Amino acid sequence: DAGVIQSPRHEVTEMGQEVTLRCKPISGHNSLFWYRQTMMRGLELLIYFNNNVPIDDSGMPEDRFSAKMPNASFSTLKIQPSEPRDSAVYFCASSLAGAETQYFGPGTRLLVL
Amino acid sequence: GENVEQHPSTLSVQEGDSAVIKCTYSDSASNYFPWYKQELGKRPQLIIDIRSNVGEKKDQRIAVTLNKTAKHFSLHITETQPEDSAVYFCAAAYSGYSTLTFGKGTMLLVSP
Repeated sequence: DAGVIQSPRHEVTEMGQEVTLRCKPISGHNSLFWYRQTMMRGLELLIYFNNNVPIDDSGMPEDRFSAKMPNASFSTLKIQPSEPRDSAVYFCASSLAGAETQYFGPGTRLLVL
Repeated sequence: GENVEQHPSTLSVQEGDSAVIKCTYSDSASNYFPWYKQELGKRPQLIIDIRSNVGEKKDQRIAVTLNKTAKHFSLHITETQPEDSAVYFCAAAYSGYSTLTFGKGTMLLVSP
């Protein structure tokens, strides 16, 4: 298995632009997580899907952030409009079930100018 | 919700020494405690986990201990090597269909 796949790996954009991050979880995994990592705030959970259904989105910072999981093999995290404070590394992770043994993707390093 | 505190934030040791990282959690219902290692520029990777029905678990040079009464758990690395240098995150969860709450991380530097 190729593991969790994320794209793009790096994204540089200007403030106000729309950003879409993509994730393909490990086949057979039922849970998918989006995290944001910064030096100041550490590793923060943004949203958790189970069987393609959003279960916990309490970590989504504000309405500028949205996430979808249209099927078991694909998820997107969208930021519109982007702001410089959104600059961070965004990780997608998947697991067979919930919290246990999460496999992280390589991350998307986002820089908003 | 759950709150996880992790100490120290940085730890420097000499190669061959032991390293200990400690975490406390707030939710007494939590019963799953993993540790993740993140090398510079890489993704976090699970290195060991422990469930509340055991007090200690070992895997070669790595061990975790859990004190449910005090609500704290620790990572012990013996005979440290330079390749152990990384950021280590503890986390806690009520296992099953829930989410992890991570500590802020400990940057471990092992000097040759």
